Formats: sequence, structure tokens, C-alpha cells
Amino acid sequence: AQSVTQLGSHVSVSEGALVLLRCNYSSSVPPYLFWYVQYPNQGLQLLLKYTSAATLVKGINGFEAEFKKSETSFHLTKPSAHMRDAAEYFCAVSVTGRRALTFGSGTRLQVQP
Amino acid sequence: DAGVIQSPRHEVTEMGQEVTLRCKPISGHDYLFWYRQTMMRGLELLIYFNNNVPIDDSGMPEDRFSAKMPNASFSTLKIQPSEPRDSAVYFCASSERGVGANVLTFGAGSRLTVL
Repeated sequence: AQSVTQLGSHVSVSEGALVLLRCNYSSSVPPYLFWYVQYPNQGLQLLLKYTSAATLVKGINGFEAEFKKSETSFHLTKPSAHMRDAAEYFCAVSVTGRRALTFGSGTRLQVQP
Repeated sequence: DAGVIQSPRHEVTEMGQEVTLRCKPISGHDYLFWYRQTMMRGLELLIYFNNNVPIDDSGMPEDRFSAKMPNASFSTLKIQPSEPRDSAVYFCASSERGVGANVLTFGAGSRLTVL
């Protein structure tokens, strides 16, 4: 079975600072990996996905993530945080043959002015 | 496309009552998923359908929960009888047929409160 672990349930950064949200995965077969964002009282929106085409994946709103097989990681980064980035971020995994995603526990990002 | 449509957005009911949540997936999507979100357990997959057929219902908590997909444009999640521990946000999502990574598009969710 596949799973993801998100380190840190809450992360706080200053506006303009680097954002780093951590995700480690566990999978016995090559995984597909995703980052979703959830704003208050809304559903989840896709930020980016890894499908084995390239290890560095660029997403929307200036976010990117790097797949590192040796570290089983898929951390999400953004060079400069903006107030509008305050939200909850979820890492998710799936594998070939299973269409459902398994989500991590989420990381709430707070951006301080 | 209007996206995945869920109703009601908010439901408050009393313990023992029947609750029905509804979902309209994106037209042309072959897969439909029901997830539940709580503070304690995070996002849990309840059930998912392919071409209106349930594929995996191992996440359905117990017999009080049932889900149906009578056609490609409509699904329901029913709880009967409801209990306070069922209070959560229930999300419906849909995705296209295809190989490789499966991108889910989520609805806005139905927030259920059972008193």
C-alpha cells in the first residue's frame, strides 16, 4: 500500500520568505505524486503533479516540487511567500491501477506580514 | 464547465435522522470519488465509482453509510441513521478516464453537523 507523511502540521513564514512544505512517500511501485491546496471553506485544488516525466515539477502560483527517489521525498517550495498563499496544503499519492488518491494529514501555512 | 457540484453545502440534523448528500460530476468524467474530512482523521476515501459501478467501498465506515450512482451525472451518499460522529465535511471529486496519473477535481464540499 502507498502512503504519504507530511512533516509539520503548521508552518509559519514571513511574507517574502521561502516556503518549504515537506512530504515523504512510501510506495512499493513507482508513484504518482500530487500537491493540492485548500482555502477556507473550499474544496481542494491541484497545485502540481509528478508523473515521472521530470523530477522538478512546476505548478500554479509559483510553487514547485522536486521528486527525490533516494530520499522518497516530494517537498513543495516557493521562493517568496505571499499573503494569499495562506491555506492548507495536502500531499497525495497514487499508483498505476489505483485511481483514488491517498492524502497526507495536511500542513497549514500561515504567512505573517 | 461548472465543475463538480455538491448539495447541500451545509446540513444540520439531529441524531437518528437520514442524511442524503448529492453530487454532480464533471460531464465526461468516468470516475467519481467520495471523501470525508475531519480534524482527527484528515481526508479519507469512502468509496469510488468507475462508469457508475462501485470499485472500492472499503472506506465506508459501516452499514449506516451507502452510496449510489444511478447514472453518469449523479451520485448520492446516504447516512441512515446519522450519529454525531458523522459530523464532517464530505467531498465529491471526479476524474477522466485515462492512463497514468489521475487528477481529481473536487467539489466545494458538504458540511454535515449531527446534533
